[in-house]
Amino acid sequence: DVKVTQSSRYLVKRTGEKVFLECVQDMDHENMFWYRQDPGLGLRLIYFSYDVKMKEKGDIPEGYSVSREKKERFSLILESASTNQTSMYLCASTPTGFGREKLFFGSGTQLSVL
Amino acid sequence: EDKVVQSPLSLVVHEGDTVTLNCSYEVTNFRSLLWYKQEKKAPTFLFMLTSSGIEKKSGRLSSILDKKELFSILNITATQTGDSAVYLCAIDRPSNDYKLSFGAGTTVTVRA
Repeated sequence: DVKVTQSSRYLVKRTGEKVFLECVQDMDHENMFWYRQDPGLGLRLIYFSYDVKMKEKGDIPEGYSVSREKKERFSLILESASTNQTSMYLCASTPTGFGREKLFFGSGTQLSVL
Repeated sequence: EDKVVQSPLSLVVHEGDTVTLNCSYEVTNFRSLLWYKQEKKAPTFLFMLTSSGIEKKSGRLSSILDKKELFSILNITATQTGDSAVYLCAIDRPSNDYKLSFGAGTTVTVRA
């Protein structure tokens, strides 16, 4: 079974803390994505990566950075967490070429910033 | 930014009812429209539609795309409590960058 694993289901952090969200996929996919999901707004793309050490900004990159040192791992970093970053964060991966539209999602991390 | 609008935002039905979900979009040049189901946390893929007028079917679920009127519908017949979920619609953008634009989703609650 294909798998995208996010390291934490729930996280509570304080304003100003540096936060790392980790995502690992076991499907050898080239492309990986970070979305955030808020009620009434749907999924919004934060960053994506189409190769190791490559990254592209999505629609809402402000306040976030990413790291992809290995193909299977894509990390989202909140340099200084703020309350408006309280959200559900979803990681996804997809192959290049045929079937690339079919995103495989992780189970999400519900982040609360107090 | 591409706009994908889903309606209704939520609905409650009883088991056995038929549900029709709508997805309209403002992108005229795109590769495909996709439907996902989100039960707990992780959305799972349902359908990919690329051609207008051709119905895709999977069990009690079916979907169709109208490229002229810029919308898609997702139908669920003989609903069951296991169909309770958020249904997400997404557009595959024209640029070759693998990004999807999602709608806000429709929350379906099926009561026994």
